[in-house]
Amino acid sequence: KNEVEQSPQNLTAQEGEFITINCSYSVGISALHWLQQHPGGGIVSLFMLSSGKKKHGRLIATINIQEKHSSLHITASHPRDSAVYICAVGIESYNDMRFGAGTRLTVKP
Amino acid sequence: SQTIHQWPATLVQPVGSPLSLECTVEGTSNPNLYWYRQAAGRGLQLLFYSVGIGQISSEVPQNLSASRPQDRQFILSSKKLLLSDSGFYLCAWSPSVSWKVNEQFFGPGTRLTVL
Repeated sequence: KNEVEQSPQNLTAQEGEFITINCSYSVGISALHWLQQHPGGGIVSLFMLSSGKKKHGRLIATINIQEKHSSLHITASHPRDSAVYICAVGIESYNDMRFGAGTRLTVKP
Repeated sequence: SQTIHQWPATLVQPVGSPLSLECTVEGTSNPNLYWYRQAAGRGLQLLFYSVGIGQISSEVPQNLSASRPQDRQFILSSKKLLLSDSGFYLCAWSPSVSWKVNEQFFGPGTRLTVL
């Protein structure tokens, strides 16, 4: 079993829909990251969380440390949100980072 | 402001040939530096990280090596490429020694195809 599991693997939505991507992890972490990878490969860091909730425009990220679960929400989705969204965790015990396999989001106009 | 550069952007190399990928960071001092690989259809995998000049830690055994000859320069190398080395290579930096609580900033990546 992977230490970081994301669901769904693929997601297709219509423009304007509310989107949720989930991430579960099985190890102790110091922080959780949500990354966005565009079709060309470039990666942008969206959020870094160690507790609670963060909001950036139409993006919201939440984390529940007790349940070892995080969600990324996109409100009023737009075709330009189409990308791969990656959950990554910083491991507590040593200098390492583990990545989920990613969720490929396609938003259709 | 800080920027991170990688080159080349794409590379096609024959099996058995050497490899050198370069990453440089501008606008910061003493960054932590990282090399990641993303194989086709798979997640990112940390290959090497460095907390200072000449200090390299390897996360996975492989035929790749890394070096940090200068504070803001990180090089990924191989003496003989394998087919399995194909993938998308990303360099990243973070602004403090205790990277665990800081964001990582990613470079544009190098797409390597080994034939």
